[in-house]
Amino acid sequence: NAGVTQTPKFRILKIGQSMTLQCTQDMNHNYMYWYRQDPGMGLKLIYYSVGAGITDKGEVPNGYNVSRSTTEDFPLRLELAAPSQTSVYFCASSYGTGSYYEQYFGPGTRLTVT
Amino acid sequence: GQQVMQIPQYQHVQEGEDFTTYCNSSTTLSNIQWYKQRPGGHPVFLIQLVKSGEVKKQKRLTFQFGEAKKNSSLHITATQTTDVGTYFCAGAAGGTSYGKLTFGQGTILTVHP
Repeated sequence: NAGVTQTPKFRILKIGQSMTLQCTQDMNHNYMYWYRQDPGMGLKLIYYSVGAGITDKGEVPNGYNVSRSTTEDFPLRLELAAPSQTSVYFCASSYGTGSYYEQYFGPGTRLTVT
Repeated sequence: GQQVMQIPQYQHVQEGEDFTTYCNSSTTLSNIQWYKQRPGGHPVFLIQLVKSGEVKKQKRLTFQFGEAKKNSSLHITATQTTDVGTYFCAGAAGGTSYGKLTFGQGTILTVHP
């Protein structure tokens, strides 16, 4: 199993550009999450999904969009990139229908917006 | 909304010294999870605590969950250079929270050989 994979690893965007961060998991997990991590800070939840076709906002959803057409994939779309979106983005997945399951994280995407 | 505070933000120790990080939630939690992130890496799950007053050990690591299920701690005995990284606690509200976790800001541990 590859676990949770993310592409790209690094990306530099200009202000106003758009991009999609890819996330794929091969563990057949129902739940998937997108977090951002700013320097010296914890992880903030952007969006999450409890299954294909079902997504909901987390703590910091503004400026992002998601979709979940399959169990495996959970892409994060950035529209009109802003410097405030410079961060490290982690995708995670979890098995089960409650809070009692660990989250498996991908390696992250380091995004700089200039 | 739920807030999880973690202290200290930084801890520098000499190899062999003990280390403790503390986590406090503004609300009662259904469970708390601990993660470790190595420099440049991604968070990796360490453990989950569910019961009030629960204590779990993993070799040199001891995890505790408070009686009121609002606070937790991680204690490392006799630190080693391999313990370097950021330790995060993450609280789950339970119910219909759909596995959402609220992370503390983490404690960055540096171990000097």
